[in-house]
Amino acid sequence: EDQVTQSPEALRLQEGESSSLNCSYTVSGLRGLFWYRQDPGKGPEFLFTLYSAGEEKEKERLKATLTKKESFLHITAPKPEDSATYLCAVQEGNFNKFYFGSGTKLNVKP
Amino acid sequence: NAGVMQNPRHLVRRRGQEARLRCSPMKGHSHVYWYRQLPEEGLKFMVYLQKENIIDESGMPKERFSAEFPKEGPSILRIQQVVRGDSAAYFCASSPPYAGGSYEQYFGPGTRLTVT
Repeated sequence: EDQVTQSPEALRLQEGESSSLNCSYTVSGLRGLFWYRQDPGKGPEFLFTLYSAGEEKEKERLKATLTKKESFLHITAPKPEDSATYLCAVQEGNFNKFYFGSGTKLNVKP
Repeated sequence: NAGVMQNPRHLVRRRGQEARLRCSPMKGHSHVYWYRQLPEEGLKFMVYLQKENIIDESGMPKERFSAEFPKEGPSILRIQQVVRGDSAAYFCASSPPYAGGSYEQYFGPGTRLTVT
């Protein structure tokens, strides 16, 4: 059973068209939820850590929020350089490993 | 402060050969994780190590795969007698000493293994 599910799998936006990416999880005892950005041929780049429901983090055009069962990554007025795959990962309980979702591939057209 | 370093970046092996992937964690980080990523898929956890100790290898195939993180030098992921299905990108991540909280993992650029 997948612990982390991301939707949509792919998202095409026009420059300036705001939208949200979803990450739902089923792990119990969430220790942390992490968002990463991955460009083709590169390693994931850390964006945010969220620890508890209601928490929000912002960075430039990105804003991450967390509820008890899911997280959203809001992209406001995206630019072509925001095009990448966005990965969500969760860490549970006393375990150190991350469970990753399959990612959302974002394409922002000028 | 250098990030996580992995080498080689690209590795081509013929079926039956051995592949050795190296990872040097960020300075001050004592925890190393290895993940495998197949094309168009997310990252799958393989193994978690601290210096001279394997903490969790629940994601590692039981045969042909092994990992170590010696007292001195980089962490090594070894794949013996490679098969075509081993072709993937292998990522290493590191995090600082664990103190009961949750620490983000920082990833290296990956090693892309191709088995011919």
